[in-house]
Amino acid sequence: EVQLEESGGGLVQPGGSLRLSCSASGFTISRHSMHWVRQAPGKGLEYVSAIHYDGRNTYYADFVQGRFTISRDISKNTLYLQMSSLRVEDTAVYFCVQVSEGGYGLWGQGTTVTVSS
Amino acid sequence: DVVMTQSPLSLPVTLGQPASISCRSSHSLVYSDGSTLLNWFQQRPGQSPRRLIYKVSNRDSGVPDRFSGSGSGTDFTLRISRVEAEDVGVYYCIQGSHWPFTFGQGTKLEIK
Repeated sequence: EVQLEESGGGLVQPGGSLRLSCSASGFTISRHSMHWVRQAPGKGLEYVSAIHYDGRNTYYADFVQGRFTISRDISKNTLYLQMSSLRVEDTAVYFCVQVSEGGYGLWGQGTTVTVSS
Repeated sequence: DVVMTQSPLSLPVTLGQPASISCRSSHSLVYSDGSTLLNWFQQRPGQSPRRLIYKVSNRDSGVPDRFSGSGSGTDFTLRISRVEAEDVGVYYCIQGSHWPFTFGQGTKLEIK
């Protein structure tokens, strides 16, 4: 079965760090660009970061401002998002998404990040 | 960034009746290869988004044929021929033709 499973979310204080993981099964992440998309409580969807299928290029939304790092481990077929200097406004459900057919083909179930003191 | 504007933002529909959602982009979504990378997604309450339509009018596997997409350039439409109870949720258009991918605000479909 083709699926994505995120983990690593939780409660963290402002200024803290978290590493999100996204384990892929049923396909190889090195054949797809992969994105992180987030959804704040009661809000719409927002692009966070992306890694090109060749792994050479990474991209970030302006609000990331050097705080997040996207990476992948091909041997584990897993995508990561290292988040540091977290802010209250980073509170959201973070989705791992596969790009296919020119758009977001497959979504994980999401992992919740709560930044609060 | 390309701005995606959906209307209406709230859509009350009677069961069995048709529904239509509009999505307009600030720039043409024709990609360099000639395709148009406009997608439609459904997000049911408490669930992650699920793609319904890719490249304007192609249904994803398992999507009921009561869902259809149309449009070109900057104007696009998602139609549901007969709304069923399971269609309740928020619908988003997302463009993949220009970097970064951008989203419409979402249209909340509810049953009257």
